[in-house]
Amino acid sequence: GAGVSQSPSNKVTEKGKDVELRCDPISGHTALYWYRQSLGQGLEFLIYFQGNSAPDKSGLPSDRFSAERTGGSVSTLTIQRTQQEDSAVYLCASSLAGMRETQYFGPGTRLLVL
Amino acid sequence: KNQVEQSPQSLIILEGKNCTLQCNYTVSPFSNLRWYKQDTGRGPVSLTIMTFSENTKSNGRYTATLDADTKQSSLHITASQLSDSASYICVVKGGSYIPTFGRGTSLIVHP
Repeated sequence: GAGVSQSPSNKVTEKGKDVELRCDPISGHTALYWYRQSLGQGLEFLIYFQGNSAPDKSGLPSDRFSAERTGGSVSTLTIQRTQQEDSAVYLCASSLAGMRETQYFGPGTRLLVL
Repeated sequence: KNQVEQSPQSLIILEGKNCTLQCNYTVSPFSNLRWYKQDTGRGPVSLTIMTFSENTKSNGRYTATLDADTKQSSLHITASQLSDSASYICVVKGGSYIPTFGRGTSLIVHP
């Protein structure tokens, strides 16, 4: 079946605007992760969803960032009042439950805040 | 603090040559270590996964090694191809479901 998909692939916005990034995980995958990848940096964990459990939001850098996952499938990452330092690639990954399960990554959304 | 350090930061080699990428980690407790390949503009793709008891694992021309005592891993690429040009990321999972990522090694293979 299809892999993880993300939309949009690229997003250019003005400082102060809100943006929504979407992730469609692999069907049947109960775990979903959001990461941020800045130029020259490693992947930075943002938020983790597992089934119907409360999400782990410990990686969200500020209260301008929020995410939800509807029906245990599609997830949306929202950034309010965007700042220039929010410019990065936002990657979504999904996996089956379990510590050893492989994370499958989407192609990412490249966000540029002007 | 859990950390994963990779070296070199970047590497340029000629097509057909071999190369070795290094990964040192301080993640504790240790669950598993993965090497990912990330092509430009794409998401990372898992190459290998290694647990505490595994020393070597191969995937085609890619061979990963793990020394759990010294907390070091390497990824050896044999007979490099132009398509091997990518970023290689070392990822370590400890007691948490949140992995720790290295910054990656950028490999360029020239014809």
